[in-house]
Amino acid sequence: DIQMTQSPSSLSASVGDRVTITCRASQSISTYLNWYQQKPGKAPKVLIFAATSLQSGVPSRFSGRGSGTDFTLSISSLQPEDFATYYCQQSYSTTQFTFGPGTKVDIK
Amino acid sequence: EVQLVESGGVVIQPGGSLRLSCAASGFTFDNYVMHWVRQAPGKGLEWVSLFSGDGNIHYADSVKGRFTVSRDNTKNSLYLQMNSLRVEDTALYYCVKDKGARSSWFFDYWGQGTLVTVSS
Repeated sequence: DIQMTQSPSSLSASVGDRVTITCRASQSISTYLNWYQQKPGKAPKVLIFAATSLQSGVPSRFSGRGSGTDFTLSISSLQPEDFATYYCQQSYSTTQFTFGPGTKVDIK
Repeated sequence: EVQLVESGGVVIQPGGSLRLSCAASGFTFDNYVMHWVRQAPGKGLEWVSLFSGDGNIHYADSVKGRFTVSRDNTKNSLYLQMNSLRVEDTALYYCVKDKGARSSWFFDYWGQGTLVTVSS
């Protein structure tokens, strides 16, 4: 099975900061990598699919990069509504989908 | 508007059985891959199962042999039959629509979840 790791597990940042979260796959997954945002008490929401494509309606301050095993999610200027937990997820294996453990972004 | 509404979550004893349901609306249900994803209290996301529009079914190793996914395209509904429940199956179970039809692409719509608590 493909294992996903994320770093850091949590971070504290201020409004306006640039934030970058890293996701690593245990084997190459090409660009089959998606990013989700989850706020407390809410269902997750897709932000980025296929490593770099911004989902419709998602602000352009979110961006994704990477291919193979190493990926990043960046928020160019953190907004109050961005404080949440972020998960990466691989869809390379079409029979076993795995999420990263999550990165919690909170207010400094 | 896409809507996914889960039901069936309860408190149940270990070893018990339970069936979750998901009522879908706002899209052509039989065209898309559907998933169940769960989240234990205070923990991360865990994919559970998928049922594609053309009948492919897959399960996470943690539930294989105990859970059975099904769908009724005439009722726009997805189901999860859960047998031999364990304490570690305690979680909020989400019904999730995939962007893809025959194979998974990404999870584009999520329900609000139904809570299953396995406890003696």
